[in-house]
Amino acid sequence: DIQMTQSPYSLSASVGDRVTITCRASQSISSYLNWYQLKPGKAPKLLIYGASNLQSGVPSRFSGSGSGTDFTLTISSLQSEDFATYYCQQSYITLTFGGGTKVEIK
Amino acid sequence: QVQLEESGPGLVKPSQTLSLTCTVSGASINSGHYYWSWIRQHPGKGLEWIGYIYYTGSTYYKSSLESRTTISLDTSKNQFSLKLSSVTVADTAVYYCARLDRTTSEAVYFDYWGQGTLVTVSS
Repeated sequence: DIQMTQSPYSLSASVGDRVTITCRASQSISSYLNWYQLKPGKAPKLLIYGASNLQSGVPSRFSGSGSGTDFTLTISSLQSEDFATYYCQQSYITLTFGGGTKVEIK
Repeated sequence: QVQLEESGPGLVKPSQTLSLTCTVSGASINSGHYYWSWIRQHPGKGLEWIGYIYYTGSTYYKSSLESRTTISLDTSKNQFSLKLSSVTVADTAVYYCARLDRTTSEAVYFDYWGQGTLVTVSS
């Protein structure tokens, strides 16, 4: 299986901060990388698909980049509703997720 | 708007079979390009894909769970189901159903999810 490693495990940030989360694949996955937002008790939300494509309805402060093995999710100006856990997921070979990054209020 | 909702027992005894159903609204599970999936999240842990089913009935499971997993369709009710046999406490998790979009070959992603349901395995 392809292993997905996210960093950091968690981070503390303030409203308005620029936040960057990284995801590394154990082998090249081209651009088959997606990002999701999870909040307790709510349906997970697709943010970015195909490494850099913004899902319809997702605010433009979210962006994704990368290809091959290294990927990044950036939130350009953190809002209160963005405090959540973020997961990357590869769909190149079967389907596996990263371990998650919890974004907390500083 | 596509919506998915999981339902089923919240408590299952060890060695028994976990059974969950996902009811889909706003889309037909008979449509092509979409694969109907189950994903779980162990307490305090990350997400784990379990398997999926296509409208033709074709299934694909995570290799480590394949021997215990069955996913099936009920097109008359627009539902799909998960059965996980011989459960242990290690199967305690929040179980999500989701739609996997394979419309294009350039990107494959889960575009709609249910809210999840907690299943606890305990005697």
